Amino acid sequence: GAGVSQSPSNKVTEKGKDVELRCDPISGHTALYWYRQSLGQGLEFLIYFQGNSAPDKSGLPSDRFSAERTGGSVSTLTIQRTQQEDSAVYLCASSSGSNYGYTFGSGTRLTVV
Amino acid sequence: GQNIDQPTEMTATEGAIVQINCTYQTSGFNGLFWYQQHAGEAPTFLSYNVLDGLEEKGRFSSFLSRSKGYSYLLLKELQMKDSASYLCAADQTGANNLFFGTGTRLTVIP
Repeated sequence: GAGVSQSPSNKVTEKGKDVELRCDPISGHTALYWYRQSLGQGLEFLIYFQGNSAPDKSGLPSDRFSAERTGGSVSTLTIQRTQQEDSAVYLCASSSGSNYGYTFGSGTRLTVV
Repeated sequence: GQNIDQPTEMTATEGAIVQINCTYQTSGFNGLFWYQQHAGEAPTFLSYNVLDGLEEKGRFSSFLSRSKGYSYLLLKELQMKDSASYLCAADQTGANNLFFGTGTRLTVIP
C-alpha cells in the first residue's frame, strides 16, 4: 500500500495475556521504527530495524517486549504478560534509511484491563 | 542528559497567529523536526530545521537557534483544521531514533 499499515487499530486485552501488534511498512523502506505514545508522554522510542543489520533494541522497556522483522518488511511487536502500564498507542514508522522522512502508521491503541 | 520542553496546551482564535515554542537539551544535535498529529491519527511531517533561522512553508514557518537550544513553530491565518497536537523532535548525532517532546495540543476556536 501507499502508507504504513498497522493492525489491529484497537486491542483490549486482559492483564497477563500476550499480544502481537503488526506493522506493514512502505514498500522499499529499509528502516522501521516502533514508538510508544502514552497519555501525557512524548513518543517513546522502542526499537529500530535497518535492513539486515542487528536491530537497535535500546528502547525496549523490559524483557517482556520483543520485536522481529521478517524478510525486511513486515514487523511484529510482541508484549508478553501484559501489564496495565503497557496501555498506550503503539506507533510504527518507516523511512528510506534515516531519521529524515518518517512515515508513521495510525497506531494500535492497546488497553490492558 | 536529554530533555525537550514544549507547552502542554494552547488555545488560539481562527484567523490569528500562534507560536509554539520548543526548547531542547541533547547530547549531540543534527536538527529539529516538527510533526502535526490530529487526534487518533498518525503524526505527519511539517518541517526539519538544520541551520539557524526561519524557514517558511505556506502558513507554517519554523525557526531554529542552535546556540540557544530553541525552536518555534509559527502558524498563520489559523484554521479550525489546525486544531491538533504539534510534536517537537530532536535528531541527535549517532542516534537511530528521534527524541520527541510531549507535544503541544492546540485548540483553534471561532
